[in-house]
Amino acid sequence: AQRVTQPEKLLSVFKGAPVELKCNYSYSGSPELFWYVQYSRQRLQLLLRHISRESIKGFTADLNKGETSFHLKKPFAQEEDSAMYYCALRIYNQGGKLIFGQGTELSVKP
Amino acid sequence: DAGITQSPRYKITETGRQVTLMCHQTWSHSYMFWYRQDLGHGLRLIYYSAAADITDKGEVPDGYVVSRSKTENFPLTLESATRSQTSVYFCASSDWSNQPQHFGDGTRLSIL
Repeated sequence: AQRVTQPEKLLSVFKGAPVELKCNYSYSGSPELFWYVQYSRQRLQLLLRHISRESIKGFTADLNKGETSFHLKKPFAQEEDSAMYYCALRIYNQGGKLIFGQGTELSVKP
Repeated sequence: DAGITQSPRYKITETGRQVTLMCHQTWSHSYMFWYRQDLGHGLRLIYYSAAADITDKGEVPDGYVVSRSKTENFPLTLESATRSQTSVYFCASSDWSNQPQHFGDGTRLSIL
């Protein structure tokens, strides 16, 4: 079964500390993974797409097929990074639908 | 992205009523999606559409109806609303199935 798991509901760090938001997936096909961010009561915005290998707002994520993981990392957290983060897996045989994890709320304290 | 708009932004209604949530996109994207967002579940797909007049069920379609007579519109109807359908509803669109999805601002629906 296709599944995305984000084990942490809430992650709280201090400004300047490193951040790692965990994401594990289960999928028999070739995975395509995304990170979306949702600032307070706003729309979801695409943060990262694994195939583009970009760094957005200082965040990076590497797909590890052996560990079936796509963890999101940032070396120095900023207060403006406080938001809800969703990891998502694309399923191509259903219109490219996304399967989302439960989300991790990141709180960066001053 | 002002290209995808949802209306209304907030809606309160009673159980048993019919409610329609609107989604409009100006990009002429082929694919459109409806998700609901609930605490502890993340976002779950209700219905999607690959093109005008083509729709298909997602993970949680029960109690919902969709239509897509025009490429730019993808309304979601709750035919007889229940309290369990209280949620935040997001519409999304993408140009192709392999392109990123762009989300609307969401509709916060409360059913009393």
